[in-house]
Amino acid sequence: GNSVTQMEGPVTLSEEAFLTINCTYTATGYPSLFWYVQYPGEGLQLLLKATKADDKGSNKGFEATYRKETTSFHLEKGSVQVSDSAVYFCALRGGGGNKLTFGTGTQLKVEL
Amino acid sequence: GAVVSQHPSWVICKSGTSVKIECRSLDFQATTMFWYRQFPKQSLMLMATSNEGSKATYEQGVEKDKFLINHASLTLSTLTVTSAHPEDSSFYICSAPRGGDLSNQPQHFGDGTRLSIL
Repeated sequence: GNSVTQMEGPVTLSEEAFLTINCTYTATGYPSLFWYVQYPGEGLQLLLKATKADDKGSNKGFEATYRKETTSFHLEKGSVQVSDSAVYFCALRGGGGNKLTFGTGTQLKVEL
Repeated sequence: GAVVSQHPSWVICKSGTSVKIECRSLDFQATTMFWYRQFPKQSLMLMATSNEGSKATYEQGVEKDKFLINHASLTLSTLTVTSAHPEDSSFYICSAPRGGDLSNQPQHFGDGTRLSIL
């Protein structure tokens, strides 16, 4: 079956630091890949997505590249801000339909 | 703005009470909605797929009689936690893709409902 593995958190960074959150996946076929962000007390918001190999999703300074050879979709941001503090979920959609498989989430805390 | 509305956002009730959570798509019709449960510091676990006009599809291990799902219209799905107990306390989140389950569109999530059973 499908599965998503994310690096464990929490991740604590200083403002303007470089961020990487690792995500690898197992899936049959060619899944679509997503990063969702969850701010405290809220639901999930789509941050970015990629639907095929070598696609790069980007939004709000965050980027992730769909690497089929390494089955990875690592999230990066060059300079984080305090407002980026949230939980980030990597997810995949595959096998037809719109059912998502989520990773366990990585909490990011950015300090001044 | 939000395209999926979830209500209520927080519920505290006594053990044995049944609790209904609503999920509405605000500016599109949702023939399919998804219900997730999130435990503290853990990922979202898909509980069931709500289908307008037909029975919900439950994931393995989810009790159908415990978590009743009704997709009453193209914009509304409800999750009723029947005879809730403290172990049912959790964060419940719904989502809906524009265009239905096979639309290949990203899902839009509600803000979640925090359920606390005393």
